Amino acid sequence: RKEVEQDPGPFNVPEGATVAFNCTYSNSASQSFFWYRQDCRKEPKLLMSVYSSGNEDGRFTAQLNRASQYISLLIRDSKLSDSATYLCASYGGSQGNLIFGKGTKLSVKP
Amino acid sequence: DAGVIQSPRHEVTEMGQEVTLRCKPISGHNSLFWYRQTMMRGLELLIYFNNNVPIDDSGMPEDRFSAKMPNASFSTLKIQPSEPRDSAVYFCASRTVSYNEQFFGPGTRLTVL
Repeated sequence: RKEVEQDPGPFNVPEGATVAFNCTYSNSASQSFFWYRQDCRKEPKLLMSVYSSGNEDGRFTAQLNRASQYISLLIRDSKLSDSATYLCASYGGSQGNLIFGKGTKLSVKP
Repeated sequence: DAGVIQSPRHEVTEMGQEVTLRCKPISGHNSLFWYRQTMMRGLELLIYFNNNVPIDDSGMPEDRFSAKMPNASFSTLKIQPSEPRDSAVYFCASRTVSYNEQFFGPGTRLTVL
């Protein structure tokens, strides 16, 4: 089992829709989790950090379920500009590095 | 503030040639990471340094790959000899030890013909 797994999508949704992505992780010692956004031919950029049960920032909500070892990202009232690939990452235990999922591609259509 | 700086941004080379990728981390950051991204394998960690010391190089594909960090403001990733399967985008990222957020550079898009 890969350490961090995501549904690759693509998720094709209309403007204004609510969309949710899930990400599972295998290292139960992981303490910190992140959602990164990556635009085409660009570098990943941090969207949200998740250290405890969840985090909310405007239209974006991230939640952590330790019992089931997954994190989720909810995007409400999606905009055309939300179209991108969303990468989740797990920072675990004694390791100093982030482990990334392969990303979920979101396409918001007018 | 300047972000992570990488050079070159694009590199096209022929199989067998040596390739050197360069990275300047954000000033004050003491951890540096080299990643490779492909469609098939996603974003893979190759190696990372803490305080200029290599900590984990288990992601380096084979002996053709080597990385150095001679000082806190500079790192190189070298591929010698290069092969077509090395074609990918190579990202450098840095962070402080006390913060988990990693900041990525713009990447080097490598094509080996």
